[in-house]
Amino acid sequence: DGGITQSPKYLFRKEGQNVTLSCEQNLNHDAMYWYRQDPGQGLRLIYYSQIVNDFQKGDIAEGYSVSREKKESFPLTVTSAQKNPTAFYLCASSIGATRTGELFFGEGSRLTVL
Amino acid sequence: DQQVKQNSPSLSVQEGRISILNCDYTNSMFDYFLWYKKYPAEGPTFLISISSIKDKNEDGRFTVFLNKSAKHLSLHIVPSQPGDSAVYFCAASARSQGAQKLVFGQGTRLTINP
Repeated sequence: DGGITQSPKYLFRKEGQNVTLSCEQNLNHDAMYWYRQDPGQGLRLIYYSQIVNDFQKGDIAEGYSVSREKKESFPLTVTSAQKNPTAFYLCASSIGATRTGELFFGEGSRLTVL
Repeated sequence: DQQVKQNSPSLSVQEGRISILNCDYTNSMFDYFLWYKKYPAEGPTFLISISSIKDKNEDGRFTVFLNKSAKHLSLHIVPSQPGDSAVYFCAASARSQGAQKLVFGQGTRLTINP
């Protein structure tokens, strides 16, 4: 089955620690995204990548880093510089440059900072 | 600056009746609009979309209406079913190069009562 796999589903972190969230897709999509969801807020774009070895900051990139070494993979690192990292993180992909095509989302990773 | 707003955080509707979810936007450059449905602890899934050159798009029980002059769109679900209970996000995109960068509203939690 084609889709997007995020892991882990739940993650706990102590303050000051970096954590990496995994996102893998087998849809052969060129573009991949990371969004953050907080209660009462819409999804906010952290980073996106249109092609391998290239990525751009979204609206709330501070305290996060990404890499895109393979088409299938777009891991997100939440660094200790992120002031309020507790949130639900969603990875998504799309076919490519089309602005009319929908995003396909993974099931999300919930990060809690203790 | 919230470019896409869903002013109703929640909506409760009787099963079999019509559900109407509303969305307002401020950016006149948006030319494509989408609705996503999200169950708890899952990623959003695409529901229906509409181009700004249209004022209505219908898919089964779901119809999206667009009023460009009012910068307003709405999603109608009729008849509403218990499985429609979820959070609904409105999203918009503007003509731009590259990836599908969507701006999301805050979401509306729809509850269908039996």
